[in-house]
Amino acid sequence: EAGVTQFPSHSVIEKGQTVTLRCDPISGHDNLYWYRRVMGKEIKFLLHFVKESKQDESGMPNNRFLAERTGGTYSTLKVQPAELEDSGVYFCASSQGWGQPYEQYFGPGTRLTVT
Amino acid sequence: EDQVTQSPEALRLQEGESSSLNCSYTVSGLRGLFWYRQDPGKGPEFLFTLYSAGEEKEKERLKATLTKKESFLHITAPKPEDSATYLCAGLSGNTPLVFGKGTRLSVIA
Repeated sequence: EAGVTQFPSHSVIEKGQTVTLRCDPISGHDNLYWYRRVMGKEIKFLLHFVKESKQDESGMPNNRFLAERTGGTYSTLKVQPAELEDSGVYFCASSQGWGQPYEQYFGPGTRLTVT
Repeated sequence: EDQVTQSPEALRLQEGESSSLNCSYTVSGLRGLFWYRQDPGKGPEFLFTLYSAGEEKEKERLKATLTKKESFLHITAPKPEDSATYLCAGLSGNTPLVFGKGTRLSVIA
């Protein structure tokens, strides 16, 4: 069974440009999460989808970040316009429906560098 | 505020030298305590979930335990391939997964 996949693996953009990150969760997983790790800090939650609906977006830094999940399958995270502080590694994770087990399975991440 | 603290930040062991990593948490209404392994350039790889105090789980040379305030990841007779960053995370009923900063483990042959 394929794991969580993310594209691209690495993106380098200039301040002010737009970048779109993509995540394909494990097939059948209703829950999809986005996280970010900024250098020297811990991994932090951004938002949570249940199927195509946003369940919790309390971790989104500001309105420059827009996440979508088309038809409850893959998800995109767009940053527009990008700022220097947006640099970091963006992880996507997925998990099954409600109830135990709650394990979240992570993708390899997208390393975003804003110059 | 929910918080997870891991210690030590870094640990260097000789091959075969057993040790423990600590994860202390203040997570209200804990639903699960997770351990992940992360290799450089890769995403966190799931290891264990612990649901209640007193629970223990084992996988090869790793054993995870949970009390009401902390969790330990015991590594028995480690090998160089166990070198990685080990992450602890807590899940409550009201907040999303909260991670610690991790412990960087280096096992020297």
